[in-house]
Amino acid sequence: AQSVSQHNHHVILSEAASLELGCNYSYGGTVNLFWYVQYPGQHLQLLLKYFSGDPLVKGIKGFEAEFIKSKFSFNLRKPSVQWSDTAEYFCAVNARTGANNLFFGTGTRLTVIP
Amino acid sequence: NAGVTQTPKFRILKIGQSMTLQCAQDMNHNYMYWYRQDPGMGLKLIYYSVGAGITDKGEVPNGYNVSRSTTEDFPLRLELAAPSQTSVYFCASSYSPPSGIYNEQFFGPGTRLTVL
Repeated sequence: AQSVSQHNHHVILSEAASLELGCNYSYGGTVNLFWYVQYPGQHLQLLLKYFSGDPLVKGIKGFEAEFIKSKFSFNLRKPSVQWSDTAEYFCAVNARTGANNLFFGTGTRLTVIP
Repeated sequence: NAGVTQTPKFRILKIGQSMTLQCAQDMNHNYMYWYRQDPGMGLKLIYYSVGAGITDKGEVPNGYNVSRSTTEDFPLRLELAAPSQTSVYFCASSYSPPSGIYNEQFFGPGTRLTVL
């Protein structure tokens, strides 16, 4: 079975600090990788996705993520966070088979202090 | 487009009651999903559907039922509510063509359910 691990449960940063959120998955086959964001009181929105090609993908709002196949990792980064980035971030994996459903990590809550 | 809509937004049930969570999408997506999100946990798949008339179980299907009579609607039924079903429920949809290329899932706003 697939699983997704997010190492940080709660991260607190000051504005303009750099962000890196870890995500590791366990699955031996080909995967699609996603980062979703859930702002307070809102539903999940896609930040970025990786299907194939360049392992460094750029998403919305200045976020990017790097897929490192050898490490089974897909870490999310942002050079300079803003107060409006306060949200919960979920890493998700899809194994390109069957239901095409997503396996989610437990999420990382990011709090950005003005 | 409204995207994925869910009703109700909030609901409190007593143990043993039943209810249906509604989900609709207007994007002509063939795949639809129901997830639950418990505090401190990621989303877990309850049921999914690959098209009208076709449904299948996910990771945590016990205590739930679904149907998919149309492309647009995918209701989730709780027959005998239990406190363990207290959670936030998200419906999602996606489009996957016959080639099997997977596309992103779009999520609804969620239904917060409390069973007392």
